[in-house]
Amino acid sequence: QVQLQQSGPGLVMPSQTLSLTCVISGDSVSSNYAAWNWIRQSPTSGLEWLGRTYYRSRWHNDYAVSVKSRIVINPDTSKNQVTLHLNSVTPEDTAMYYCVRDHPADHSDSTTDAFDIWGQGTMVTVSS
Amino acid sequence: IQLTQSPSFLSASVGDRVTITCRASQGISTYLAWYQQKPGKAPQLLIYAASTLQSGVPSRFSGSGSGTDFTLTISSLQPEDFATYYCQQFNSYPITFGQGTRLDIK
Repeated sequence: QVQLQQSGPGLVMPSQTLSLTCVISGDSVSSNYAAWNWIRQSPTSGLEWLGRTYYRSRWHNDYAVSVKSRIVINPDTSKNQVTLHLNSVTPEDTAMYYCVRDHPADHSDSTTDAFDIWGQGTMVTVSS
Repeated sequence: IQLTQSPSFLSASVGDRVTITCRASQGISTYLAWYQQKPGKAPQLLIYAASTLQSGVPSRFSGSGSGTDFTLTISSLQPEDFATYYCQQFNSYPITFGQGTRLDIK
C-alpha cells in the first residue's frame, strides 16, 4: 500500500529555512495521476494547503499565495521523494506539517480527487 | 473559496444520528471531500465527490449536496466516531478546508 514517510527537524530558528522530506513508497513521484502536497495545521490557522508538485508530461508546481514568495517544493525521482523548503520562517510558521497525496479514485473524473494518503506529520517549532 | 462548517462543536451520545453542514462561498459542484481527525493523528479521508464513501469507511457515514451546500451524516454514532471533522474543496486553487466540527461525547 502507499505510504509517506516524513523526516526533518522539529526546531527551526527564525529567519532560517524549514526543510522537510517525504519518501514515497507504493507509488511513484512521477505518477501521471497523483500530486504531492504539503499541508500544515496549527490551532490559529487550522488546515492550510501550502502547495504541490506533480508530473503531467512535465513537472508542475502550485503554491498558496500566502507563502508563494518563500516556498519551493521539489520532486526527487532518484529517491522517489518530495522536499519542502520554506524560507524566512517566523513563529507564525510553527505548525504540524503533513505530506499528502491527492489522487482521483476515477482517473477520468476529476470530482473524485481527494487527499487519500497522509504522512505521519512533523511538528515544526520556529523559535530561537 | 471559503468553507464554513456548522456547528463548530457538537455534543452527542452513542447511537445518535448527527449531521454536519459545510457551506461554500461559491458553487463547487461536487468537488468536496470530508475527513475525520483524531487527536495526535493525521486526517483520514471519509468521503469524496461529496457523496462517495472511501474504501473501508463504515456505511453509517454518508455525504450529500452539490453547489454550495453539503452535509455529512453519521447515522448511528459509535464510540470511535468522536473526533473532529473537516470538509475540503477541490473545485479551484487554492484548496481550502472548513474550520472543523469537533464531535464530543455527551
